[in-house]
Amino acid sequence: EIVLTQSPDFQSVTPKEKVTITCRASQSIGSTLHWYQQKPDQSPKLLIRYASQSISGVPSRFSGSGSGTDFTLTINSLEAEDAATYYCHQSSGLPPYSFGQGTKLEIK
Amino acid sequence: QVQLVESGGGVVQPGGSLRLSCAASGFTFSSYGMHWVRQAPGKGLEWVAYVRNDGTKKYYADYVKGRFTISRDNSKNTLYLLMNSLRTEDTAMYYCAKDDCSGGNCHPGDWGQGTLVTVSS
Repeated sequence: EIVLTQSPDFQSVTPKEKVTITCRASQSIGSTLHWYQQKPDQSPKLLIRYASQSISGVPSRFSGSGSGTDFTLTINSLEAEDAATYYCHQSSGLPPYSFGQGTKLEIK
Repeated sequence: QVQLVESGGGVVQPGGSLRLSCAASGFTFSSYGMHWVRQAPGKGLEWVAYVRNDGTKKYYADYVKGRFTISRDNSKNTLYLLMNSLRTEDTAMYYCAKDDCSGGNCHPGDWGQGTLVTVSS
């Protein structure tokens, strides 16, 4: 089973700051890595698909990069509404699939 | 627009069974694979199971294999999760999610609001 490890687990940031969250896979997964945002008491929402593909309706300040085992979610010019927990997810090959442990973002 | 509505959650004793349903609308249900993902209270997301669009292939996480069964009825636009031999560690919000695919590779795209399962004596 492929294990995804995110860092950091928690980050407290100020508005307009640039945020970087990383996700490392235990083996190469190509570009089959996706990012989700989950706000309190809400369902997860797909933010970035296949490492770097943007999703219609998602603000352009969210971007993704990486391939193989190392991936990054970047949020440029953070806004208060971005307070949430962010998860990476891999869909390499056949299931079972897995999620990272999550990164909680707090806005100061 | 895509709508996924889960139901069937509740309180069940350890060792008991429960069947969750996910009613789908707003898309051609029979064309998409479907996932179940769960989240224990205050914890992260856990992928649980997947069924292909025609129901012929099913996949499970190791921690539910042999106890949970995913199925679907394309005539009713409904996804199911039959959960047997429930354990306290199965307590979680259970979400169904529709496939989002590219080049034959898929992952959860649209999600429902979830249904809460509590396993407790």
